[in-house]
Order: sequence, then C-alpha cells, then structure tokens
Amino acid sequence: DVKVTQSSRYLVKRTGEKVFLECVQDMDHENMFWYRQDPGLGLRLIYFSYDVKMKEKGDIPEGYSVSREKKERFSLILESASTNQTSMYLCASSPYQGNQPQHFGDGTRLSIL
Amino acid sequence: RKEVEQDPGPFNVPEGATVAFNCTYSNSASQSFFWYRQDCRKEPKLLMSVYSSGNEDGRFTAQLNRASQYISLLIRDSKLSDSATYLCVVRLNDMRFGAGTRLTVKP
Repeated sequence: DVKVTQSSRYLVKRTGEKVFLECVQDMDHENMFWYRQDPGLGLRLIYFSYDVKMKEKGDIPEGYSVSREKKERFSLILESASTNQTSMYLCASSPYQGNQPQHFGDGTRLSIL
Repeated sequence: RKEVEQDPGPFNVPEGATVAFNCTYSNSASQSFFWYRQDCRKEPKLLMSVYSSGNEDGRFTAQLNRASQYISLLIRDSKLSDSATYLCVVRLNDMRFGAGTRLTVKP
C-alpha cells in the first residue's frame, strides 16, 4: 500500500510565523502535490512537483512556497502565516503515468491565530 | 464555470436505498476520471476509477459520458457506512476535484 505521511495532524501557529509542513511518500512516486481544503470550496491545488528540484504553481500559490530536495519529500512553506491560511492541508503523490490516481496523506489541520 | 461541478447535497437516504451522484467537467480533453470518498476530518481515498465503458465494483457503478462530459456514481443497497462525502475527480495534466457531494445513510 502507498503510504503518504504528513508530519503533523494538528498545528497551531501565530500570524507572521514561518510555517513548514512536511510530506513523505514511500512509493518512489514522481509526482507530489499540496492542496488546501476549505468548506464549500473543495480541494484547491497550491503547488505540485513532477521531479526532484522541480516545482509548478497550482491555482493558489500566493503566500506559499515549496521545496523538493529529495524524491520522497515535498515540503510546503508558509513564508509569513496569515489567518486566511487557516485550513486543512493535504499532500498527495502519484506515479508519473497519467492515468494513475493520487494517494493522500492524513492531512494537517493548521490554525493561524 | 467551475472545472468540475457536483451537486453538494446533502443526500439523506434510508438504508437499502439506491442513490446516484452526478458530476460534470468543463475540459473535453480530460483523460482520467475517478471517484474518491472522504470521511469527516479524514483524507480523500480512492473509491474507484471510471472507465469509458462504465465499471462496477460490488454495489458501486461508475459511468462516463464523454460526449456530455458527465460522470456518475450509483450506489445500490446503501449501508450506514456509505455515509461520507463523494468527490468527483478529473485529470488532464493534474487532478481537478469537485467540491463533493455529501451522503448520509440513515437507519
């Protein structure tokens, strides 16, 4: 089974802090994704990566950056956290082949106070 | 127009009922289609892929109509454990998720 592990289930931070969300997958998948999920809006893609050191902006990259130094790890960074970044953050991975589904981590519920 | 649209529900049905969810997508070049299930405060999990010829997995049947850009999920003989939010997912270069349809199955 694919295992996607996110570093924290729940996280509380303060406005202006730099926040790191970590994601690790153990299936040697090329593709990794970060989403946020908010009520009524569904999942929105923040950033994704098709390979090591490669990143692409998704639909809502503002206020976020990412890092993919190793194939198995994809980090999401909130440069200066704001209250509107309070959300559920979900990491996913998939193989390179286009018809394969994504597998998700458990999610991190982030609250910015 | 949203790329993937679903009826948000909620659908409240009794045990044993048959329920159908619909989903439309806007990009005709989309290549892969999936239904995910998401329980409250949990991550989405793949329920089934959707193939052009339609496919069935136990009580679940998925259909794809490329001409109408329409996907459906049919659940027969609903169980209490089917209560969840069902996400329609469409893939071109990346995955596009619908906002989900919430189902509650009641005794």
